[in-house]
Amino acid sequence: QVQLVQSGGEVKKPGASVRVSCKASGYTFTTSGITWVRQAPGQGLEWMGWINPKNGNANYAQKFQGRLTMTTDTSTTTAYMELTSLTSDDTAVYFCGRTRSPDIWGQGTMVSVSS
Amino acid sequence: EIVLTQSPGTLSLSPEERATLSCRASQTVNSNYLAWYQQQPGQAPRLLIYGASNRATGIPDRFSGSGSGTDFTLTISRLEPEDFAVYYCQQYGTLPFTFGPGTKVDIK
Repeated sequence: QVQLVQSGGEVKKPGASVRVSCKASGYTFTTSGITWVRQAPGQGLEWMGWINPKNGNANYAQKFQGRLTMTTDTSTTTAYMELTSLTSDDTAVYFCGRTRSPDIWGQGTMVSVSS
Repeated sequence: EIVLTQSPGTLSLSPEERATLSCRASQTVNSNYLAWYQQQPGQAPRLLIYGASNRATGIPDRFSGSGSGTDFTLTISRLEPEDFAVYYCQQYGTLPFTFGPGTKVDIK
């Protein structure tokens, strides 16, 4: 079946970086984009960016420009989201989703940033 | 960027009642690329509606979406116990794609 499986939770110190993976299966990876969304505790959904696995082109929300990088590996059908210079404000559950209006979602990855 | 405003913030209703949720955009949503999601606590969002009015696969027909331009509505014709949740709208027609703040539908 079509699914996205994300990597496990992470605990990071302020200033560190985190990389979350999103393994796709059950469909042709290059035919659909991957969206990344995060949700801070008790807060709403925040769109982070979107990447086209066919050509690697990515678009990011302005607030993450300069510290967010999205990539894909078509050989392993895996998408990656890397966020650098972490602060406590980056503590959130990070989700990947298939397409611009995600119909399939990963299970979420909790990233905690604390000294 | 397009700002989405959802109202009301909280909707308190009883099972079997009708729910009407609003999503207003600060500018026209391209090609009516407006989606609605349901999120239960501790779970990933679930796509309900895409393209303003198209039900996603497996979504019951008590969920319907309408609207165009800047004003959109999600209607749940008769609330079932599992429908009490938070609902988000998202526009995906103009980068950056954005979400609304959500409407919580809780039990009266």
